Amino acid sequence: QVTLRESGPALVKPTQTLTLTCTFSGFSLSTTAMCVSWVRQPPGKALEWLARIDWDDDKFYNTSLKTRLSISKDASKDQVILTLATMDAADTATYYCARGVMIAGVIALDSWGQGTLVTVSS
Amino acid sequence: DIQMTQSPSSLSATVGDRVTITCRASQGVADYVNWYQQKPGKAPRLLIYAASNLQSGVPSRFSGSGSGTDFTLTISGLQPEDSATYYCQQTYTNPFFGGGTKVEIK
Repeated sequence: QVTLRESGPALVKPTQTLTLTCTFSGFSLSTTAMCVSWVRQPPGKALEWLARIDWDDDKFYNTSLKTRLSISKDASKDQVILTLATMDAADTATYYCARGVMIAGVIALDSWGQGTLVTVSS
Repeated sequence: DIQMTQSPSSLSATVGDRVTITCRASQGVADYVNWYQQKPGKAPRLLIYAASNLQSGVPSRFSGSGSGTDFTLTISGLQPEDSATYYCQQTYTNPFFGGGTKVEIK
């Protein structure tokens, strides 16, 4: 059974750096064609893809946020870490991590964590 | 970035209706489109991958079609539990989600 769980602070101050951890089980990020993505959703708004890290350590970032984002993995701990620098009120959102699998030639997010709400406020 | 425009943004339909949601890509994305369902307070759930392939465990009343720039998600025989927001996503380049379609049951 595949599970993912996000953890991190619920409240951050403006200008601080957010660090979120995705701890997963039921699959290995060392397996070919496996990946983990981060997606966020501001309250009442649409989903926004943030970043992806692949089994071979390739990394991909949202074009609009790439100067502020960093993604890494600790395969030994089955964790993926996302950092988002210079937090602002507009970054208030529920942050999800999700497993990506290559099926029929596309990457689809087939398992998701429950999400963690991060509020930016002084 | 290749953006996805969904329509309508919301709709209301009766149980048993056939519901169609469309998504248009700003450039061609072949069949690199997935569809997700999200219920309030829950994480999204994968419904359709690669434009027309039904994810395991998803009821067969859900179907997807399209290629290039125009894509459709169809619910054939709307059920009460289908009340949710639906998102398309292109993965041809850096992934991009559509704005969502909220489906309500009359």
